[in-house]
Amino acid sequence: KAGVTQTPRYLIKTRGQQVTLSCSPISGHRSVSWYQQTPGQGLQFLFEYFSETQRNKGNFPGRFSGRQFSNSRSEMNVSTLELGDSALYLCASRLTSAANTGELFFGEGSRLTVL
Amino acid sequence: DQQVKQNSPSLSVQEGRISILNCDYTNSMFDYFLWYKKYPAEGPTFLISISSIKDKNEDGRFTVFLNKSAKHLSLHIVPSQPGDSAVYFCAASSNNDMRFGAGTRLTVKP
Repeated sequence: KAGVTQTPRYLIKTRGQQVTLSCSPISGHRSVSWYQQTPGQGLQFLFEYFSETQRNKGNFPGRFSGRQFSNSRSEMNVSTLELGDSALYLCASRLTSAANTGELFFGEGSRLTVL
Repeated sequence: DQQVKQNSPSLSVQEGRISILNCDYTNSMFDYFLWYKKYPAEGPTFLISISSIKDKNEDGRFTVFLNKSAKHLSLHIVPSQPGDSAVYFCAASSNNDMRFGAGTRLTVKP
């Protein structure tokens, strides 16, 4: 059974550009969450999608957006990139709809560097 | 909003000894708690979980303890092995939300 797949694995952008990251969840998983990992800040929650609907959103500016498609694949977009957006972006999927009934399965992440 | 806190950024223990990683949370709505382990260049992997109806859950060398009144949980690893060296994240969840701590880097010395 394939795990959570994230593309691209590494990318370099310059300030002001925009970026789109893609995530394919485990087959059958309809919940997809996105997290930002930076040194010292741990895993900061960005948003969660379930059946194409955003169910929850973290405290990030509107430059960060996402969506989920009917096949449960998800994308996140960051516009007008800033140096501080350099981070590892992790996608995770879950089989159950409720966050307190099962674990998240993480992808390997997309490492974004903003110059 | 740091709803889940891991106050120790790092921990170093000798092989064979016990490792104790701590985690505190503030939201009383959290009722399911998890620990994840993360190696460099990999995504976090699930380690062990505990429901709020329990105060202890064991899985081999790993035991998680939950103190609801103190809003505190801990992960015990006994005996610690060099392969356990990684960053450990605790997570707390309610029905529609899961939050993570900042992580604790565990180093197990041979």
